[in-house]
Amino acid sequence: QQPVQSPQAVILREGEDAVINCSSSKALYSVHWYRQKHGEAPVFLMILLKGGEQKGHDKISASFNEKKQQSSLYLTASQLSYSGTYFCGTESPAGGTSYGKLTFGQGTILTVHP
Amino acid sequence: DAGVIQSPRHEVTEMGQEVTLRCKPISGHDYLFWYRQTMMRGLELLIYFNNNVPIDDSGMPEDRFSAKMPNASFSTLKIQPSEPRDSAVYFCASRPTGGRTEAFFGQGTRLTVV
Repeated sequence: QQPVQSPQAVILREGEDAVINCSSSKALYSVHWYRQKHGEAPVFLMILLKGGEQKGHDKISASFNEKKQQSSLYLTASQLSYSGTYFCGTESPAGGTSYGKLTFGQGTILTVHP
Repeated sequence: DAGVIQSPRHEVTEMGQEVTLRCKPISGHDYLFWYRQTMMRGLELLIYFNNNVPIDDSGMPEDRFSAKMPNASFSTLKIQPSEPRDSAVYFCASRPTGGRTEAFFGQGTRLTVV
């Protein structure tokens, strides 16, 4: 079962903020966020584990609410370089047969204009 | 390490032909994943291996698809016979064991079935 991302696409002007959401119907152990530039491979941004973790990476941060099985990626004061497709990946808790399985959503296309 | 290596980068084949995609994971990584990327489904997990053993192949669309991992440094994804709807970008990714480990993606194989 793939996680569900929203919105499917976002268009911004430089300097504007955006939020990308990721939700799962299953209990989660971790959430991964990746960014993919056109024609390239997805590149890792950050991992969040259980415990309501929040992390930051320059002006990109994320939160994880394991009770709601949701994660959000926050892009602040967007730059042209932020353009790309963002994927959230989810991993089930240890002990199950699917431990280690990393499942991605359908992606959110982010376009930043000057 | 050179990262995850996939070959070929591009493949154009005729409907009905057999196609074999290849992947060399990063040395020491215990997990290997095969994903298919399309606009409609995003990054769709086809199959993943742990220590060369297939753990979950529920994402493999049909019996026409098969994957093997004969040793820790090599995996193949085979489509036989290929169909136009198989056209997509296929990514291989690997990751080490551990709770806070990212997945590393290869550059992908763009498959076109005509």
